[in-house]
Amino acid sequence: QVQLVQSGAEMKKPGASVKVSCRTSGYIFTTYGIDWVRQAPGQGLEWVGWMSPYDDNRKFAQKLQGRVTMTTDTSTRTVSMELRSLTVDDTAVYYCAIIDGYNSIDYWGQGTPVTVSS
Amino acid sequence: DIQMTQSPSSLSASVGDRVTITCRASQGIRNDLGWYQQKPGKAPKRLIYAASDLQNGVPSRFSGSRSGTEFTLTISSLQPEDFATYYCLHYNSDVHTFGQGTKLEIK
Repeated sequence: QVQLVQSGAEMKKPGASVKVSCRTSGYIFTTYGIDWVRQAPGQGLEWVGWMSPYDDNRKFAQKLQGRVTMTTDTSTRTVSMELRSLTVDDTAVYYCAIIDGYNSIDYWGQGTPVTVSS
Repeated sequence: DIQMTQSPSSLSASVGDRVTITCRASQGIRNDLGWYQQKPGKAPKRLIYAASDLQNGVPSRFSGSRSGTEFTLTISSLQPEDFATYYCLHYNSDVHTFGQGTKLEIK
């Protein structure tokens, strides 16, 4: 079955970068794009961006443009999200997900807590 | 960008009640909307996709509908396990946008 397994919790200082990975299994890797969603403590869900392993197409939330990068490693079936120039407002749980809005296909990773603190 | 306005932000109800949660889009979005349930410390779980299609394995007491740019999630008879936070999600080819969330609490 489809599984998304994320890397472990991270603690970073303001100004640093963080890279969160999402290892996939159970389907043909290039079939689905990977979305990234984050949730700050006690807050709602916020879409971060999306990447297609098929053609490397990427979409990002406007507020994060210029600070976020997404990459894929086909050999390990892993999609990664890197966020640079971290501030305390980037403290959140980051989720990777497969969200197909037109079929009953919706899978989520377990979430990766990222804490930014001096 | 399209804005999604979800209401109410919180809701108190009793087991057996019928409840509705609404998301209004700032412009037409066809049926490009899903509904999610999230419990504390857990990843969101989709209930409805394409505005009104029930996700596999989700109980039939959950339903979704659309009227123009207004989308509604209805729970026909609340069960104890339904007390959670609910989000709408608009998706399209460029960006996805979540509603602000509705926290459903036990009265």
